[in-house]
Amino acid sequence: EVQLLESGGGLIQPGGSLRLSCAASGFTFNTYAMTWVRQAPGKGLEWVSGISGSGESTYYADSAKGRFTVSRDSSKNTVYLHMNSLRVEDTAVYYCARVVPTYYTSHTDPWGQGTLVTVSS
Amino acid sequence: EVVLTQSPATLSLSPGERATLSCRASQSLSTYLAWFQQKRGQAPRLLIYDVSKRATGIPARFSGSGSETDFTLTISSLEPEDSAVYYCQQRSGPGGFTFGPGTKVDL
Repeated sequence: EVQLLESGGGLIQPGGSLRLSCAASGFTFNTYAMTWVRQAPGKGLEWVSGISGSGESTYYADSAKGRFTVSRDSSKNTVYLHMNSLRVEDTAVYYCARVVPTYYTSHTDPWGQGTLVTVSS
Repeated sequence: EVVLTQSPATLSLSPGERATLSCRASQSLSTYLAWFQQKRGQAPRLLIYDVSKRATGIPARFSGSGSETDFTLTISSLEPEDSAVYYCQQRSGPGGFTFGPGTKVDL
């Protein structure tokens, strides 16, 4: 069974840093791109960042560029999201998801259960 | 950048009724679409990918259709457990995804 388990969320002051982890199991980790999506309280889904299966290519939403860094460790089957200079508006549940390619495009499946990041003084 | 618009924002129906949810893309950059169901307090679950393919374990009452910029998720006969928010998703640029704002289905 494919499983994703996020951790690392918590309460952090504005300007602080946090590292989220997403431990993957049940599939060949380094053959799939991975992505991070967040959801602010009561709001919709917002794509944050992505990383290729090899880790050589990384992608960021404008809201994350220059502050967040995505990485992966194939020896631990884990993808990370390093978040710096956190703002109140970064408060959200952060989900990691596997990127599944199809012939013409790709989608995200499955998703982890999410980890809550609260940025507040 | 593609913007996805979903309508209606809320759909109030009764069990056994048919639900029709719409997702419209601002441009036809990607003609493929996925749909997700999110129940309160849970992570999104993939329902439909590549416009019309049901994900593993998804009941046959869920179906997807559409092309170019107009897509539809249909729930043929609502069950009480279908109360949820439904999101559409498309690829957006290299490595990215964009989501619609969601349609809440109230039973």
